[in-house]
Amino acid sequence: DGGITQSPKYLFRKEGQNVTLSCEQNLNHDAMYWYRQDPGQGLRLIYYSQIVNDFQKGDIAEGYSVSREKKESFPLTVTSAQKNPTAFYLCASSTSSLAGLPNTQYFGPGTRLTVL
Amino acid sequence: QQPVQSPQAVILREGEDAVINCSSSKALYSVHWYRQKHGEAPVFLMILLKGGEQKGHEKISASFNEKKQQSSLYLTASQLSYSGTYFCGTGRGSGNTPLVFGKGTRLSVIA
Repeated sequence: DGGITQSPKYLFRKEGQNVTLSCEQNLNHDAMYWYRQDPGQGLRLIYYSQIVNDFQKGDIAEGYSVSREKKESFPLTVTSAQKNPTAFYLCASSTSSLAGLPNTQYFGPGTRLTVL
Repeated sequence: QQPVQSPQAVILREGEDAVINCSSSKALYSVHWYRQKHGEAPVFLMILLKGGEQKGHEKISASFNEKKQQSSLYLTASQLSYSGTYFCGTGRGSGNTPLVFGKGTRLSVIA
């Protein structure tokens, strides 16, 4: 079955530690995204990548880093510089569009990160 | 700019109808609607492109008024399974760009 997987589902870390969230897709999508969700805030864009080896900062990139070495993988590292990392993190992917039309973004199941 | 959704929350009895609005202060190129159950991933419902079209998905449909810079999601004859938080996401430009999401509308359908 094609889809997006995120692991782990729940993650606990001590304050000051870096942590990496996994996101893998087998949909052959070119574009991948990371969003953060807090209660009552909707989804906010952290980073996105439209092709391998290239990525751009989103609206709240401070304290986060990403890499895109493979088409199917887009891991997110939450660094100790992120002041309030406890949140629900969602990864998404979409096809690229030669016609330049917007494409549907499909979401993974999410990782709930709690920093103690 | 984050789109504004209204209402923030609504409670319906099974069989009742609801409308959820999504407005933007910027020109809209596309509007994407999602439904999210608590603790789960958002599920795609439909995408509307510039042109004032209306789309349907089961008993859920949506319209897109680019002049008014808004989209509306219509839920008719609601079912218990329609409960969740509905988000609209708007494209940041005319191409395949990341979305900006509204804060969501919490819909609760009761028997």
